[in-house]
Amino acid sequence: QQPVQSPQAVILREGEDAVINCSSSKALYSVHWYRQKHGEAPVFLMILLKGGEQKGHDKISASFNEKKQQSSLYLTASQLSYSGTYFCGTTSGGGADGLTFGKGTHLIIQP
Amino acid sequence: GAVVSQHPSWVICKSGTSVKIECRSLDFQATTMFWYRQFPKQSLMLMATSNEGSKATYEQGVEKDKFLINHASLTLSTLTVTSAHPEDSSFYICSFRDRNYGYTFGSGTRLTVV
Repeated sequence: QQPVQSPQAVILREGEDAVINCSSSKALYSVHWYRQKHGEAPVFLMILLKGGEQKGHDKISASFNEKKQQSSLYLTASQLSYSGTYFCGTTSGGGADGLTFGKGTHLIIQP
Repeated sequence: GAVVSQHPSWVICKSGTSVKIECRSLDFQATTMFWYRQFPKQSLMLMATSNEGSKATYEQGVEKDKFLINHASLTLSTLTVTSAHPEDSSFYICSFRDRNYGYTFGSGTRLTVV
């Protein structure tokens, strides 16, 4: 089953914060976050593994609540370059499974 | 980081012809590669899993005779869209799993069938 992302879209002013959520009805092994700009391939942001993790890089961080089968991506003090569509991709097994992506969250950062 | 090279970046072909898309892992031996398809304003959908030296595994609803996948070496996987029709027009992206870097994606191929 496809994970559910929320919100579908969000418009922010530069410098504001955003949270994007990803939830699944299936038990998850890993959650992968990507950002895609129009006409380009997805760019890897981070991976969170089973066992419950929180990690971050610069002003982007994420958490994975294994029990709730949910992950959240946090964008702090957003920059114009953060604009794009954010996808979460999930796996339910630890083997070589492909990713099942959510429908995406469109993020627009305005000056 | 891991690098995947995908060619061509875009292709326009006539209806009924076949198109081959190549995906190479440049610095990693990829036992397993994945092919995704993305229609405009939609998410990426997994089409098939390509295993080196064996037959590909297709997701439900994906015609294996139409989308031929060959993974003959650890660094090359190809997707051939046979007898392409306008409804096959889409963005095709390959990916492989690198334990250190998660899933690395190619740059994608935009196919337009006219």
